[in-house]
Amino acid sequence: NAGVTQTPKFQVLKTGQSMTLQCAQDMNHEYMSWYRQDPGMGLRLIHYSVGAGITDQGEVPNGYNVSRSTTEDFPLRLLSAAPSQTSVYFCASSPPRSGNEQFFGPGTRLTVL
Amino acid sequence: RKEVEQDPGPFNVPEGATVAFNCTYSNSASQSFFWYRQDCRKEPKLLMSVYSSGNEDGRFTAQLNRASQYISLLIRDSKLSDSATYLCVVNGASGGSYIPTFGRGTSLIVHP
Repeated sequence: NAGVTQTPKFQVLKTGQSMTLQCAQDMNHEYMSWYRQDPGMGLRLIHYSVGAGITDQGEVPNGYNVSRSTTEDFPLRLLSAAPSQTSVYFCASSPPRSGNEQFFGPGTRLTVL
Repeated sequence: RKEVEQDPGPFNVPEGATVAFNCTYSNSASQSFFWYRQDCRKEPKLLMSVYSSGNEDGRFTAQLNRASQYISLLIRDSKLSDSATYLCVVNGASGGSYIPTFGRGTSLIVHP
């Protein structure tokens, strides 16, 4: 099993550009989520999904969209990048409902100029 | 008040020392609790779950105090390789799912 994979590992964008961060898992986990991690702020939940076709907002959803058309994939879209979105983005997955361990991808380091 | 609070540290201890971290949470309905470890520029990884009766895994002991709404992590006989950031995670129920809230992490530096 590859676990949770994320692409790209690094990305530099200009203000106003859009892009999609990819996340995939091969563990058949129903729960997937996106976090951003900033210095001194810890991990903050952006969006999450409890299964294919179901998504919901987390703590800091503004400026981001998600969709979940399959169990495996959970892409995160930045609609119009802003410097405030410079961060490290982690995708995670876990089995549903039971509060189990979350498995994280290696992260995407995004810089918005 | 942040939902999950941790002392950011850093805790700077010599090898062999015992060190303890606390984490407080505000949601009394929280269902499950975890400690994760995060190395510099890496993803978080589960260190251990925290059970109501307390649990131990080698040199690591985790405890939960529901009445006072905190969890703790005790590391005995610290190793250089224990240097990392330790994240407290509290899961609260939301619409049948468990939504995790992360603390900001406590930095541990173990020196020779």
